[in-house]
Amino acid sequence: NAGVTQTPKFRILKIGQSMTLQCAQDMNHNYMYWYRQDPGMGLKLIYYSVGAGITDKGEVPNGYNVSRSTTEDFPLRLELAAPSQTSVYFCASSYWESYVGELFFGEGSRLTVL
Amino acid sequence: EDKVVQSPLSLVVHEGDTVTLNCSYEVTNFRSLLWYKQEKKAPTFLFMLTSSGIEKKSGRLSSILDKKELFSILNITATQTGDSAVYLCAVGRDDKIIFGKGTRLHILP
Repeated sequence: NAGVTQTPKFRILKIGQSMTLQCAQDMNHNYMYWYRQDPGMGLKLIYYSVGAGITDKGEVPNGYNVSRSTTEDFPLRLELAAPSQTSVYFCASSYWESYVGELFFGEGSRLTVL
Repeated sequence: EDKVVQSPLSLVVHEGDTVTLNCSYEVTNFRSLLWYKQEKKAPTFLFMLTSSGIEKKSGRLSSILDKKELFSILNITATQTGDSAVYLCAVGRDDKIIFGKGTRLHILP
């Protein structure tokens, strides 16, 4: 079982460049999330999706975009990268019914913007 | 505004000590509270709590939720150096899961 797969694991960007972080899950989870984690801090929610075709903003959405065309994939797009976006990014998924299910995390993507 | 507040933010104890980590929250439409352990990489799941007063246990770790007072505690007994990590509390509300800043626990041998 692959679980949640994120790529790339590491990336260095120059200011103003764009890139997409890929996230795929094979557990048929309906909910998917993108978090960022700055050094010494907890996880902040960027965007989330409750199913294919539905996305919504989290706590820190500025500078990012997402799409969810399939249940499996939830890419995160960074437009015009800025040094403030230097962080570790985690994709996660869960299955919801009447309660919030356990989050399954990808291994993380470390992004540096210079 | 939704809040998840963990305390203390940092804790250093000696091996064999017992520690209690705290998590208080203010969220609308609370669904569940989750605890995670994070070492070098992605967080790993410890517990999910949905009902008040029911203790969850796994080895030396245990946790309980108080939905009236809006907090949870995570206890670790007979700590070991391998317990050194950041412990994250998260609260599920509606369709979001929001994290606190974490408690960084360091166990001295």
